[in-house]
Amino acid sequence: DVKVTQSSRYLVKRTGEKVFLECVQDMDHENMFWYRQDPGLGLRLIYFSYDVKMKEKGDIPEGYSVSREKKERFSLILESASTNQTSMYLCASRPLGNQPQHFGDGTRLSIL
Amino acid sequence: DQQVKQNSPSLSVQEGRISILNCDYTNSMFDYFLWYKKYPAEGPTFLISISSIKDKNEDGRFTVFLNKSAKHLSLHIVPSQPGDSAVYFCAARGDQAGTYKYIFGTGTRLKVLA
Repeated sequence: DVKVTQSSRYLVKRTGEKVFLECVQDMDHENMFWYRQDPGLGLRLIYFSYDVKMKEKGDIPEGYSVSREKKERFSLILESASTNQTSMYLCASRPLGNQPQHFGDGTRLSIL
Repeated sequence: DQQVKQNSPSLSVQEGRISILNCDYTNSMFDYFLWYKKYPAEGPTFLISISSIKDKNEDGRFTVFLNKSAKHLSLHIVPSQPGDSAVYFCAARGDQAGTYKYIFGTGTRLKVLA
């Protein structure tokens, strides 16, 4: 079974802090993704990566950056956290081709 | 501009009856569609998918129907069970060559009443 592990289930940070969300997958998948989920807005793609050191902006990249130094790990960085970044963050991975994405359990991030 | 739309935010169904969740999309170039289920405080889990070359795919109690001319996708759950109560998201593979993106709808909250 594919396992996508997010480092924290719940996180509380203060405005202006630099925040790191970590994601690790164990299935050697090429593609990895970061989403945020907000009520009424569904899942919105922040960034994705199709290979090590490669990244592409999703639909809402502002205020975020990512890092993929190893194939199994994809990190989301909030450069200077703001209250409007309070959300549920979901990481996913997927192999090449028409395959389902596998999600982690999410990190509920609160910015105070 | 919402390319994948789930117009019903919620749905209630009696246990044992059929649940029908609907999804509309705008781009005829989408070629692969998926349904996910999400419980609170968990990540979405994959349910079922369908390629655009098919119009139906079945897996146990779950069947997905694709109507390409109407750009419409539906998920049927028969019979519905209380454990099916969750938020359901449809998703479509993006339309550009080499794209890696799946575009998600806003979700429908299904409540199955015992």
